[in-house]
Order: sequence, then structure tokens, then C-alpha cells
Amino acid sequence: DAGVIQSPRHEVTEMGQEVTLRCKPISGHNSLFWYRQTMMRGLELLIYFNNNVPIDDSGMPEDRFSAKMPNASFSTLKIQPSEPRDSAVYFCASSLGGVATQYFGPGTRLLVL
Amino acid sequence: AQSVTQLDSQVPVFEEAPVELRCNYSSSVSVYLFWYVQYPNQGLQLLLKYLSGSTLVKGINGFEAEFNKSQTSFHLRKPSVHISDTAEYFCAVSEGGGSNYKLTFGKGTLLTVNP
Repeated sequence: DAGVIQSPRHEVTEMGQEVTLRCKPISGHNSLFWYRQTMMRGLELLIYFNNNVPIDDSGMPEDRFSAKMPNASFSTLKIQPSEPRDSAVYFCASSLGGVATQYFGPGTRLLVL
Repeated sequence: AQSVTQLDSQVPVFEEAPVELRCNYSSSVSVYLFWYVQYPNQGLQLLLKYLSGSTLVKGINGFEAEFNKSQTSFHLRKPSVHISDTAEYFCAVSEGGGSNYKLTFGKGTLLTVNP
């Protein structure tokens, strides 16, 4: 299995631009998680899907952030407009649901100038 | 609400020495507990987890952790570390129940193993 796939691996953009991060979960997994990691705040859960339905989006920082999961094999996290404080590593993880192990992707390192 | 405190942000040790990484959690209900490891420029990997049963949990790479309900702790231990264990370690808690099994992570402990 290829594991969780994230693209791009690195993204550099200017403030005000739209950023789209992509994730392909492990085949057969029905839960998908988006996390953000920064030095100041550590690892934060942004949003969590179960069977393609958002279950908990309480961690989404503000309206500039949105996430979709149109099918079981693809999810996007969009930031529009981006700001320098959004610079972070964004991880996607998937699991079989419940308290099953979450498998993390390699992350997308985002730098907003 | 659940929370996790990792008491040490950095732990330097020498190779072949024992190590303990401390984790305390706060929750009003039963919990599930996890330790993840993150190597440089990689995602997180599960080391071990406690769901129920024996309070001593063994994981990969020779690590183990003990769940102590009275002290609300889940400390990670290894009797003899290797250079390759240098990484950041994260403790996480899930309250479970219903359909929401989200994980809350601690801030991490950077373990540095020196020769």
C-alpha cells in the first residue's frame, strides 16, 4: 500500500493567494483527518471526516479555511485568502474509524510570504 | 474537554541509557491513549496504544508504556536507546464515545540520543 498521499509536499505562496492542499487516504479507510503543526501551537486537529461527512470542524481556524471530501479517495483543504500566519506543516491522516490507528501522510509544508 | 501535557519538551540521553518520556492527561471520561513518533521531515507513526485491558502496553522498536488511571499518566519507556531513536514523540488522548474519536496531542518531546 502506498500509504496516505499528500500533494504538494512544499508550497510557497504570497499573502492573499488561494492555496489548495490535497490528500488521498489509504484505500478502505473511512475516516480522514486534517491537522496543522506549528512550533507555537503544536499539532492541532482542523477537521475530521467519517464516511466522507464532516464530523467535527471545531478546529478550523476561521472562514478562510474550508475542507471537502467529495469521495472516499480524495480530500482537499483550501485556504482563501492565505495569510503569513497560516504558514505551517499540514498533515492528512486516515484510519478505519473508531479508535483505529491513524496513518499520517508526509505533510505539506506551506510558507505564505 | 480532554488535554495532554508532556512534561519535558526536550530529553537528551546517551546511547544505551534508559529513557522515560512523561505524559499526563486530563479527561472526565474513559480514555484511549497513544504514543506517536515523528522522525525529521516525516509524518507521525504509531508507537503503541492503550485501549483497554493490561495497563502495560508494548509497542514497536522496544518501547513500552504504562497506563496509570489514578495518576492520569501514560509514560513511555525504553530500557536502552539507540541513536536511531532520535525523534520527536507525541502523546495523544481520545475520549471516544459516540462517533467522534478525535485525538488531542501533547506538544511533543524531542528525544536526542547522543553517542
